[in-house]
Amino acid sequence: DAGVIQSPRHEVTEMGQEVTLRCKPISGHNSLFWYRQTMMRGLELLIYFNNNVPIDDSGMPEDRFSAKMPNASFSTLKIQPSEPRDSAVYFCASSPGLYTFGSGTRLTVV
Amino acid sequence: AQKITQTQPGMFVQEKEAVTLDCTYDTSDPSYGLFWYKQPSSGEMIFLIYQGSYDQQNATEGRYSLNFQKARKSANLVISASQLGDSAMYFCAMRGGTSYGKLTFGQGTILTVHP
Repeated sequence: DAGVIQSPRHEVTEMGQEVTLRCKPISGHNSLFWYRQTMMRGLELLIYFNNNVPIDDSGMPEDRFSAKMPNASFSTLKIQPSEPRDSAVYFCASSPGLYTFGSGTRLTVV
Repeated sequence: AQKITQTQPGMFVQEKEAVTLDCTYDTSDPSYGLFWYKQPSSGEMIFLIYQGSYDQQNATEGRYSLNFQKARKSANLVISASQLGDSAMYFCAMRGGTSYGKLTFGQGTILTVHP
């Protein structure tokens, strides 16, 4: 079991650029969650999917953020255009039962 | 709405001593789950222990135990025989309703273990 796989581990980009974060959940897990972690706001849920369908996207900060899950083994979180305040660690997690987190993507927007 | 409160921003403990990290929660769901995660300085989120709201006994996993007091809506984590490697951020989290529901996290407690 390879766990939840996120890529890239680190991303540095310039303000205004498009950023795409990727996640491969654990095989057989039918729920997938995207979290953002910052010092100021802690861990906050952005969006989650069940059986590839978005269930709750109320945490997505604004229209610059979008997420897709085209199949059971892949999800993307896209920020376009990126801003410095988007700098954070983005985690992907999958379940059911116990939630397993990926290693996270540390995004820095300069 | 679900809410998790961790009132201890930082805690210190001597190596080999026990430490309790506090967590209180609020939910209207009759069925829920409570989780503790450890986040070391390397950044990964490590699952420690789980307690279901209908579980009759407090959960234990090795040196970790969860002191679940349902009436008081508290789910404190007890770490026995602290080790230097226990120094990390600890998060309490709750899942309400269905098993694929979202996790709501507390603000975390930074634990420092002194030799």
